[in-house]
Amino acid sequence: DSGVTQTPKHLITATGQRVTLRCSPRSGDLSVYWYQQSLDQGLQFLIQYYNGEERAKGNILERFSAQQFPDLHSELNLSSLELGDSALYFCASSTPLAGGTGELFFGEGSRLTVL
Amino acid sequence: GQQLNQSPQSMFIQEGEDVSMNCTSSSIFNTWLWYKQEPGEGPVLLIALYKAGELTSNGRLTAQFGITRKDSFLNISASIPSDVGIYFCAGRRGFGNEKLTFGTGTRLTIIP
Repeated sequence: DSGVTQTPKHLITATGQRVTLRCSPRSGDLSVYWYQQSLDQGLQFLIQYYNGEERAKGNILERFSAQQFPDLHSELNLSSLELGDSALYFCASSTPLAGGTGELFFGEGSRLTVL
Repeated sequence: GQQLNQSPQSMFIQEGEDVSMNCTSSSIFNTWLWYKQEPGEGPVLLIALYKAGELTSNGRLTAQFGITRKDSFLNISASIPSDVGIYFCAGRRGFGNEKLTFGTGTRLTIIP
C-alpha cells in the first residue's frame, strides 16, 4: 500500500460526459502528479500541483483540468469525453525531502471507460 | 509527450534466468528510478539512483546510473514467477519535486 488513495477505481461513462477523479496523497506529501496510461502504453505526464498551486503541465488536453485543495487532495476533471480518453489515470505524490530526492509513490489508478 | 527509450520491449525467459534491460535518453537526467507495474495496479518503486555511476541493489535487483547520465540499467538475477510484470524506467532532469518522464516499459514474462 503506497498510501496514495484514488477514487473511483472503475468508471464507465458515455461520450460527451464529464467525470471527476479524486486523489488523496500520502500523509505529509505536498506534491501531486497526474499521469495517463492508455492500453499497453507508458505513463504520460498530465499535470503537477505543489501545495495547492500548479507546478508543471504536460500534454493535458484543454478539456481536462485539475486542482489541489487546501487539505492537499486533488481532483482531475475530464469533460466532453471521447472514446480515446479511455485509460488508466494515476495519481502520485512525493515528499519534499531535503536534497530533493522526491520519489513518486503511485495510487492504484482509476480506470475510465468511455462508451 | 517525450518518453525514454526502453529496451527490450518484451522478454520471455525461463524461471531462474537473469534479466537485463536498459533505458536511454538523448538528454541528461539527474535522477533515475525503476518501477514495476503489475496488472490492475499502480507502479511500485523498486530502486532510485541519484549519482552518475551509482550501482544500487534491492534484493535480486541491481540498477546502475550510467556515467553519461543518459542511460540506466536494471538487472534481475535468478528470476522467479512473481517477477512477472512491466518494468518502467523513469528519469528526472532537475531536482526536488520535478515531474518524472517514463520509459516505454519492458514486459517480462516467465515461462514455466
